[in-house]
Amino acid sequence: DADVTQTPRNRITKTGKRIMLECSQTKGHDRMYWYRQDPGLGLRLIYYSFDVKDINKGEISDGYSVSRQAQAKFSLSLESAIPNQTALYFCATSDFTQGHGYTFGSGTRLTVV
Amino acid sequence: QQPVQSPQAVILREGEDAVINCSSSKALYSVHWYRQKHGEAPVFLMILLKGGEQKGHDKISASFNEKKQQSSLYLTASQLSYSGTYFCGTEKSKNTDKLIFGTGTRLQVFP
Repeated sequence: DADVTQTPRNRITKTGKRIMLECSQTKGHDRMYWYRQDPGLGLRLIYYSFDVKDINKGEISDGYSVSRQAQAKFSLSLESAIPNQTALYFCATSDFTQGHGYTFGSGTRLTVV
Repeated sequence: QQPVQSPQAVILREGEDAVINCSSSKALYSVHWYRQKHGEAPVFLMILLKGGEQKGHDKISASFNEKKQQSSLYLTASQLSYSGTYFCGTEKSKNTDKLIFGTGTRLQVFP
C-alpha cells in the first residue's frame, strides 16, 4: 500500500457542488498538507496541519476548508466548486527532523465544469 | 515570496550536464529539491540545511548559498531517467516544515 493515499484519483463535478478530497497516510507523521498544482504555477499551499488540533491556512485557502479527522486523515473540501478550482491536488506528509522531505500522494485531478 | 527558478526549460542529450537555479527574495533556513515525472507525484531528491552545504547522490548534487538565498541543482552526465520537472521548495525558518515551491524547470533528456 502507498504511504499516502488520495481518493478519488479523478473527479469531474459541476459548478456550485460541494466536493471532498480525502487523504490518508501510514507514515505516522503529524504534519500534513494540501497543495494544488496548475501548469506554470508550481505547487501552491492551500492548508496545512501540524496535528489534529492545529490547522492553518496556506497561500490560497479561499474557497477551501479542511478537516483533520485523525493523525492519519486530512480531508480537503470545496464548499461550492467553481471552474478556476480545476487543478491537480496533492496531499503530503512530512517529518523534516529525519532529514526527509515531503511524501506526496498520487494526486487528485479535479475538473469543475 | 515564491522562489524563482531558472531556466524554465532545458533540453539535453544523454551524457550532458545541466544546472538549475533557485533564488529567493527572503532569508531561508532550508531548500528542498523534488523531481516530478509526467502524471506522477513529486518525489523528494534532497534537502540542504546549511549555508554552503553541498549534497548529492549518484550524479545529482546541489548547493545552498545561505547568504545569497540561492540554491543550485547539478545534474551530471544526464540519463534518460532524469527527464521531468524539477521543483525547489524553500523553508523560511526552522521547524516550520512548510515549503513554498518554485514554478519548476522542465528537463528533457534525449538519446
